[in-house]
Amino acid sequence: DAMVIQNPRYQVTQFGKPVTLSCSQTLNHNVMYWYQQKSSQAPKLLFHYYDKDFNNEADTPDNFQSRRPNTSFCFLDIRSPGLGDAAMYLCATSRAAYNEQFFGPGTRLTVL
Amino acid sequence: AQSVTQLDSHVSVSEGTPVLLRCNYSSSYSPSLFWYVQHPNKGLQLLLKYTSAATLVKGINGFEAEFKKSETSFHLTKPSAHMSDAAEYFCVVTLGSNDYKLSFGAGTTVTVRA
Repeated sequence: DAMVIQNPRYQVTQFGKPVTLSCSQTLNHNVMYWYQQKSSQAPKLLFHYYDKDFNNEADTPDNFQSRRPNTSFCFLDIRSPGLGDAAMYLCATSRAAYNEQFFGPGTRLTVL
Repeated sequence: AQSVTQLDSHVSVSEGTPVLLRCNYSSSYSPSLFWYVQHPNKGLQLLLKYTSAATLVKGINGFEAEFKKSETSFHLTKPSAHMSDAAEYFCVVTLGSNDYKLSFGAGTTVTVRA
């Protein structure tokens, strides 16, 4: 089945230690998104890629970066995680001109 | 700018009884509207979507929603709740096909009593 895959599902890191979260998709969608979701809150968009074009949200901290080496993969890099970055991170995809987004299962990040 | 208001932060129902989750939106344009469901520690799953076709939209798992432009509402209903319906539900709006950003409501937590 076509899907959005996130690895790992659970990630534990130490304060200040860089971490990378991975997302891959078999849907061949050209738009990929990263969201941060804190407990009991709605997802918050961090940034998205339209093909190779990177679009950062104005309030996304510089600590968060992203890479998209090809259509199928997208990575979220947190350069120096703080305690406040502990959250669920969701990857989503969509086809250009269609606004329905397909979400992966998420990666829950714990910062010690 | 568009926005979404989910009128209930928490809804509790008995198994087998109807479920109603209320959502109001504001938008300067003809919106696309969605309901997503999120089970604990899982991603979001699309229940249904409205994109300017029929105003009564049927989705998965027996859910449906009615788009009422005059009331700017998009309420979600299910005639008979199941224990597996216990989850978080998000009403979502976007401006249209050229807007990639989703505007989320705050969410409604549904609990189902046996």
